[in-house]
Amino acid sequence: AQSVTQLDSHVSVSEGTPVLLRCNYSSSYSPSLFWYVQHPNKGLQLLLKYTSAATLVKGINGFEAEFKKSETSFHLTKPSAHMSDAAEYFCVVNGGTYKYIFGTGTRLKVLA
Amino acid sequence: EPEVTQTPSHQVTQMGQEVILRCVPISNHLYFYWYRQILGQKVEFLVSFYNNEISEKSEIFDDQFSVERPDGSNFTLKIRSTKLEDSAMYFCASNPPFTDTQYFGPGTRLTVL
Repeated sequence: AQSVTQLDSHVSVSEGTPVLLRCNYSSSYSPSLFWYVQHPNKGLQLLLKYTSAATLVKGINGFEAEFKKSETSFHLTKPSAHMSDAAEYFCVVNGGTYKYIFGTGTRLKVLA
Repeated sequence: EPEVTQTPSHQVTQMGQEVILRCVPISNHLYFYWYRQILGQKVEFLVSFYNNEISEKSEIFDDQFSVERPDGSNFTLKIRSTKLEDSAMYFCASNPPFTDTQYFGPGTRLTVL
């Protein structure tokens, strides 16, 4: 069965410093992995997606994630945080049969 | 850019009442989903729908729940007799053919009193 674990429920960074949101996955086959962001009172917006074409995936708003099979990780990074990045971030694995399996989410706080 | 829309944004109901949550998926999409997120918990899959029938459902999706695509544009989730524990944010999602990328609506917050 597929699962994802987001290691941090809350992350605080200062504006202009790097962001690292951690995600580990478990899958019996090569999965599709996603990062979604949810701003307050907004829907879930796709940041990026891994499908095995390239291990380093670039997404919107300067985010990227690296798929590391040996570590079963798919961490999300951004070189320089912006105030507008404050939101909840979800790591998601495709459960293989038309359903997503979500991590518990990481709330990112950006300090001025 | 096309978006998934959901109405209402917030629904308050009394325990035991029926509610219908509405979604309009993106027009060329073929697969439709409902998820829910109880406050403070993770987003959970409820049901997937394709070709006018349920593809898969979770153990949460019991006989109190039903889905329908009544008119080719709307996709609805009905809860027949709401319970307090049904209070949650309900997300609709859809994806086009040949990709597993799902596009989510803004959610409906259901409060059962």
